[in-house]
Amino acid sequence: DAKTTQPPSMDCAEGRAANLPCNHSTISGNEYVYWYRQIHSQGPQYIIHGLKNNETNEMASLIITEDRKSSTLILPHATLRDTAVYYCIVRVRGGSGNTGKLIFGQGTTLQVKP
Amino acid sequence: ETGVTQSPTHLIKTRGQQVTLRCSSQSGHNTVSWYQQALGQGPQFIFQYYREEENGRGNFPPRFSGLQFPNYSSELNVNALELDDSALYLCASTPRQGEWNTEAFFGQGTRLTVV
Repeated sequence: DAKTTQPPSMDCAEGRAANLPCNHSTISGNEYVYWYRQIHSQGPQYIIHGLKNNETNEMASLIITEDRKSSTLILPHATLRDTAVYYCIVRVRGGSGNTGKLIFGQGTTLQVKP
Repeated sequence: ETGVTQSPTHLIKTRGQQVTLRCSSQSGHNTVSWYQQALGQGPQFIFQYYREEENGRGNFPPRFSGLQFPNYSSELNVNALELDDSALYLCASTPRQGEWNTEAFFGQGTRLTVV
């Protein structure tokens, strides 16, 4: 089962910041939060990941609360091409194999509107 | 572009048949995972291969099997196809097994339709 909870859908105006929330209240101390997005019928695209500090790259910023129970992905200036399903994932340690598999939930469908 | 390539892009098979899907991992990546994504759902982990051996498996029956080759490329085989096997099959590669501080790169997937 997915270890994250996300709203099923959100809208954002083009040019504005899109703030996508995620709850992961059962996260363990050494598990990372990953964000991927998937544009219709394409493979998921990596966006960003973090452990406990805020992270920023050329695509987005990731804000993780101090207790690590929730996070927010920020797309600073959303464009129409950012319309996609956004997945917040806690990367799980496997058993002896340590697969680091990704457990996807339903994600948030972000619709960027002109 | 992630450097992970999958073939074929689309495939139609008949119920009961067998299918093989292929994946070439990104250069330098020695771990390959396979995911199944049914329509309207998030991807579901099938299994992972590292050093040519299965290294972790999700909740999928034994008729889902795989291989990894010395060049780290991989195959997913599905026997006795069922209608519910219709899905987008995704391959993901990571640089090193067991490291969860590295991103997994996905291919564009193979769309399998079972009729």
